[in-house]
Amino acid sequence: NAGVTQTPKFQVLKTGQSMTLQCAQDMNHEYMSWYRQDPGMGLRLIHYSVGAGITDQGEVPNGYNVSRSTTEDFPLRLLSAAPSQTSVYFCASSYSIRSDTDTQYFGPGTRLTVL
Amino acid sequence: DAKTTQPPSMDCAEGRAANLPCNHSTISGNEYVYWYRQIHSQGPQYIIHGLKNNETNEMASLIITEDRKSSTLILPHATLRDTAVYYCIVQGFYGNKLVFGAGTILRVKS
Repeated sequence: NAGVTQTPKFQVLKTGQSMTLQCAQDMNHEYMSWYRQDPGMGLRLIHYSVGAGITDQGEVPNGYNVSRSTTEDFPLRLLSAAPSQTSVYFCASSYSIRSDTDTQYFGPGTRLTVL
Repeated sequence: DAKTTQPPSMDCAEGRAANLPCNHSTISGNEYVYWYRQIHSQGPQYIIHGLKNNETNEMASLIITEDRKSSTLILPHATLRDTAVYYCIVQGFYGNKLVFGAGTILRVKS
């Protein structure tokens, strides 16, 4: 298994541009999520999905859109990039949302700079 | 989910046990204690989790106090590769919406 993969690894955007961060997992996990991590801080939840066709907002959803058309993929779209969205973005997945048995697997991250 | 409090940083000598404390005084009965770590800006990595009983796996041990208000993560023989930020997270039974604090920076020194 490749686990959780993210593309691209690095990206530089200009203010106002849009782009899509890709996330894929090959573990047949139902639950997927996106986090952002600003320098010196912990991760914050942006959006999550409990299965194909189902998404919901996390702690910091403004400026981002998601969709989940397949179990494997969970892309994150930046609609109109702003410098405040400069961050490292992590995608994560788990088999279910049960805390007693299931843990999250994180991807390697996408480092985004908005000028 | 309950909040957690961790020291901002700790040092540990290579080969010695690293004991990382976490306070979670408002934890409720069905909330789990999870530990993740993040090595040098990589994606966080799961270490261990528990509800009431002490737990051990190939990476670490988790000691939870009887009143469940605090816990300690133990890395029995720390190596330089264990240098990382360690996050203690409290999570309800149905969750996986992890709430990360600032964590503890563990520096393992030779």
